[in-house]
This record gives sequence, C-alpha cells and structure tokens, in this order.
Amino acid sequence: GAVVSQHPSRVICKSGTSVKIECRSLDFQATTMFWYRQFPKQSLMLMATSNEGSKATYEQGVEKDKFLINHASLTLSTLTVTSAHPEDSSFYICSARDEFGSGTQLSVL
Amino acid sequence: QKEVEQNSGPLSVPEGAIASLNCTYSDRGSQSFFWYRQYSGKSPELIMSIYSNGDKEDGRFTAQLNKASQYVSLLIRDSQPSDSATYLCAVTPLSSGYNKLIFGAGTRLAVHP
Repeated sequence: GAVVSQHPSRVICKSGTSVKIECRSLDFQATTMFWYRQFPKQSLMLMATSNEGSKATYEQGVEKDKFLINHASLTLSTLTVTSAHPEDSSFYICSARDEFGSGTQLSVL
Repeated sequence: QKEVEQNSGPLSVPEGAIASLNCTYSDRGSQSFFWYRQYSGKSPELIMSIYSNGDKEDGRFTAQLNKASQYVSLLIRDSQPSDSATYLCAVTPLSSGYNKLIFGAGTRLAVHP
C-alpha cells in the first residue's frame, strides 16, 4: 500500500481563495518532505523542502508567502496555496524518502 | 546545461522488444539515481534505484550506471503495452547536499501491439 498519503486528490476553487494540501507519511517518520509542481507534459519541479520543526527551504523563484508550508509533526506536511490564481493551476505532488504521494490536481477558475 | 537530461521521445517500440531509456546528469558528485514511471495524471512510482557503477536487475527492468560518463540507463525487456508511460530519471546531486531529487523532463515510451 501507499506509504505517503496526499489529500485531496483534486481541488477546484475560485480565484482568490486559499487551498490546503496535506501530505502524510503512513508508516515512518519523515523529518523532511518535498513539494513538487508539475505542469502538463512537463517534468516535476521541486518547489520546496519541508523541514519538521523549522522553516521550509524554497527553491529559487518560488514565493514563500504564496506557498505556505507547515511541517508541525514527523508525519504531516501541509502546503497552502494562498490567494490562488488560474496560473497556479497545476499538479502538486509531495514526497518523503523516495516515495510520492498520489498528487493533487488544482484547478483555479 | 540542465542538471538531468533525457530525450523527450516518444520512443516507440513493438511489444516484446527491449526499450532502452537514457539519462545524463551534470553533477559528477551525484550519489543516488532513480527511475520512476509516471502514467498520465498520476504521480510517479519508483521502479529502480541504483547507487554504484554497473547493472542492477529487477524482473524485466535493468538499470545501468556509469559514473565516469555520467549516464544512467533503464532497459525494459519484453516490453508490454502497459509499460507505455513517461519514464523519469532522477538524481541526488552533490550540489544539493544529496538531499534533493532532481528530475529530468522524462521520456515518453509507447509500446505498440
């Protein structure tokens, strides 16, 4: 079974709203998790490294105030897309160790 | 130069043939190498990992690593239509302290009956 669980699998929201995505490690503790974004027919682009108990490390060009990451426990990291706009529509995927969550398809109207 | 490069394809092979997928990387100090399979609309699933030079076999899959030439390949024997997917190569480069997985753009494989 899946060792990394991600919810929700699909979100449709209005422009300007915020969306929270959860990523859980099911049978292990993850001090570090990763968040990726994938646009259609493109590869996975690392957005940020989520560190348990400390601030996330963002990749160049990723706005930390727009993509809020919280890693409050050893099994849960959350990504909040704040004030989402249509250009934020994408497939968001988390990972821990070398396993991936099932992904979240975000569509912003 | 991209950190991880793959031919985007599509690579088209007949059912039963061997599919050969290649990947090169720029950071000579890269430590770990992975092949993932991704079906459209789904997240990647790990197929193989390889850490030392040579071949590593798992069922119909063989990963090959050559650190001197900075390439890693994946062979799929007896290809099946269900193998049709995008194959992503990923490495952990020294430049990231081996903490991050950097992906190539992926090679689309099409296995036709």
